[in-house]
Amino acid sequence: DAKTTQPTSMDCAEGRAANLPCNHSTISGNEYVYWYRQIHSQGPQYIIHGLKNNETNEMASLIITEDRKSSTLILPHATLRDTAVYYCIVRVASFGNEKLTFGTGTRLTIIP
Amino acid sequence: ETGVTQTPRHLVMGMTNKKSLKCEQHLGHNAMYWYKQSAKKPLELMFVYNFKEQTENNSVPSRFSPECPNSSHLFLHLHTLQPEDSALYLCASSQGQGPFSYEQYFGPGTRLTVT
Repeated sequence: DAKTTQPTSMDCAEGRAANLPCNHSTISGNEYVYWYRQIHSQGPQYIIHGLKNNETNEMASLIITEDRKSSTLILPHATLRDTAVYYCIVRVASFGNEKLTFGTGTRLTIIP
Repeated sequence: ETGVTQTPRHLVMGMTNKKSLKCEQHLGHNAMYWYKQSAKKPLELMFVYNFKEQTENNSVPSRFSPECPNSSHLFLHLHTLQPEDSALYLCASSQGQGPFSYEQYFGPGTRLTVT
């Protein structure tokens, strides 16, 4: 699975959009981009995933560059409850390859 | 509430004890996982079960012994652990039926302390 690079930490003001970047320059054509987050002392929570098109759900939007070498997770109106570690993961989605490889993620702090 | 429960939530055990961690999922999933999260380290995958069969053992020491009696339950049996095994142990499940089973759902974890 391709390696990802994320900033160690970020701050964002409450109510503003939080934009979390992820670099995955070695991603291959059949690898998806996933985002999870982990609020302190809880299990990780799935947020969103995509292959090449931009995706949006009730939690966030995922913007993937045309060359797929990087992506941005957008939380449109950050709240204090969005303070967490955010993980960007790339993996091939195929039967028998169910594992997620977590890196160190980005620690996002929402400032009141 | 993710549909994945873990018990106990906290466990303190001595190095000579034997204990078990339990995970149960109420999502109808067919794949279950154990992860370990040590302080200041990324989550590490330990074991994967698909349809009750172990499909991944990520070089885990034999003092950790998983058991998956059915698709809804997963156990991690612990014996003669070391203090460095103190960590948050997380269970997860996913649909596990093909390439479109993307999301894993995690339980709240068991905080294990080995004394």
